Amino acid sequence: ETGVTQTPRHLVMGMTNKKSLKCEQHLGHNAMYWYKQSAKKPLELMFVYSLEERVENNSVPSRFSPECPNSSHLFLHLHTLQPEDSALYLCASSRIPGQGAYEQYFGPGTRLTVT
Amino acid sequence: DAKTTQPNSMESNEEEPVHLPCNHSTISGTDYIHWYRQLPSQGPEYVIHGLTSNVNNRMASLAIAEDRKSSTLILHRATLRDAAVYYCILRDPPHLRGGSNYKLTFGKGTLLTVNP
Repeated sequence: ETGVTQTPRHLVMGMTNKKSLKCEQHLGHNAMYWYKQSAKKPLELMFVYSLEERVENNSVPSRFSPECPNSSHLFLHLHTLQPEDSALYLCASSRIPGQGAYEQYFGPGTRLTVT
Repeated sequence: DAKTTQPNSMESNEEEPVHLPCNHSTISGTDYIHWYRQLPSQGPEYVIHGLTSNVNNRMASLAIAEDRKSSTLILHRATLRDAAVYYCILRDPPHLRGGSNYKLTFGKGTLLTVNP
């Protein structure tokens, strides 16, 4: 248990569906992250939120829409995805850089399959 | 970002020490060396980090070369649960604020296999 939970753990969706991934952290952190891990590719940073404001968007297509309603929760809204978007989606949290230890703590991920 | 180079894979026997190397010849004077690992079907987990001096914690030890162009993660007695992909990552110092210090840039890492 890392203190970061993600739901669902597995998701299969069609290309016309809309779904959301949820992440919750119980560590008192103020920064949260979405990463994508495709087969045989390194983890890629998608979005960063700091104090509930987006500070990083790594050229991610608009069919992925993040939301951070408070410092403990992070969502990734998905719509009209493509089969190549099938991957493991990982959430992480950390303290804000400059406030001490800044290791990132990861959730177990959501395995997404787009059919 | 300064790059790191790691072997694609390594193999070890259970209860033997494992030395995982990382080269970072273009490291800057202020870069910290971090190690994370990713067990099968899990997200990455932080292992250890250091700047110049060797570091120890309950999971591992980090040996940093005097010129800082390479480092070695040491698992003193490998167990089957240590089988994972190990990532060596350079980061800005922890006291630095700003966008670049949110980034954790993962490479391909080293796949460690532990034989019983």
